[in-house]
Order: sequence, then C-alpha cells, then structure tokens
Amino acid sequence: GENVEQHPSTLSVQEGDSAVIKCTYSDSASNYFPWYKQELGKRPQLIIDIRSNVGEKKDQRIAVTLNKTAKHFSLHITETQPEDSAVYFCAASISPALIFGKGTTLSVSS
Amino acid sequence: NAGVMQNPRHLVRRRGQEARLRCSPMKGHSHVYWYRQLPEEGLKFMVYLQKENIIDESGMPKERFSAEFPKEGPSILRIQQVVRGDSAAYFCASSRLPGGSQETQYFGPGTRLLVL
Repeated sequence: GENVEQHPSTLSVQEGDSAVIKCTYSDSASNYFPWYKQELGKRPQLIIDIRSNVGEKKDQRIAVTLNKTAKHFSLHITETQPEDSAVYFCAASISPALIFGKGTTLSVSS
Repeated sequence: NAGVMQNPRHLVRRRGQEARLRCSPMKGHSHVYWYRQLPEEGLKFMVYLQKENIIDESGMPKERFSAEFPKEGPSILRIQQVVRGDSAAYFCASSRLPGGSQETQYFGPGTRLLVL
C-alpha cells in the first residue's frame, strides 16, 4: 500500500528564516497532496494542497512543489513567524483515504 | 459555517467498557472518514462511510471496532471492550465529494480517548 515518508521530524528556525519540509510517497496512483498544520491539542487544519496536474502552488508565504516523476513533494514557508510553530503533516491520497507522514515539529524562535 | 463537529472531546473509559464517538460532518458533506492518531504519530485511516453505507473499512481493526453513518444523525465510531492500546485521538473528517476524487477533507476537533 501507499507509504509516505516525511523529513525532517523536527525543524528549528529563527524568525524570518525559511523552512522546508519534504515528503516522498510510494504509490504512483496518488494524485492529491494536502498539507495540514496541527497545533497542540487542536484539529489538523489544511494550509495548502496540490493536485497532480500542477507542479507548484503558492499562497502568500506558503508554497508547495510536486515532482511526480520522483514521487516527492515539499512545503516551503518563507519569512517564518513564531505563530508558524506547530506540527506539519503531509499526506497523499490513495482512494478514499489520505495517507499521512509522521509529521514535522516546526519551532520558530524570535 | 459550522465545521465538522465531534463529541465528546475527551472520553475516559476503564478497560472492558465501551467507547462511543460521534461525528457530525460539515453542512452539505455526505462523506465521512475516521482516523486514529497515536502520540507523536501521523493520522491513520480507519474507515470511510457515506450515508447508510460503509465504503471502505480497510484500516479498521477486525474485532471490537465498528462504525456507522445512519440516514439521520451523526456518524458513530464504537469501540467495544476497550484496552489500553486504544488510547489515542480519534479524528473525523468530511468531504463534499467522494473520497479519492482529489477532494479536500476537513477535520473535526477530535475525541481524545483515555483507557485506564
């Protein structure tokens, strides 16, 4: 079945720096790749997603890139702020489920 | 614009008791998914339901776990004879279109189950 690997597991950056989180997936049938942000004790919140007919998508400080040939996708956060601190999960769809990575704990220090 | 609702938010059970978790999808959504999250882990798919139908339960343990989504009322995830290993956060998600159609899944706040 589908397997999603996510790296790094923890990431510490200074406020204003960029953060990059990378994921790889195994099933070439996956065609939808959302990213969720989860604060402690809260629900996962969708922050950006990309579909397989697109290579890159940007929304203000957040961007996602997808390389279907290599089966990997990445989240880029620019100009990080302390409120970006949270656990970030990538996921790949394999009908009907989302298969999640194990998460990256991002800490942004001011 | 009410999001996905789950209750209870916290549930404490003793070993051997039953746990019943409820999920009301977003308005206009008729597709419901249940996921389990162990501490320090990602979410693991359990089951996908449409109204009155279980579509995919490939991620759900064969014993003690069951799910339903009746014509009226919330979706329910039931865990019978709970064991300590069932302690986890259980999240429900919903979507407007069927799972697998590149459709966004929106998550509820979760039920945190603690088995003593």
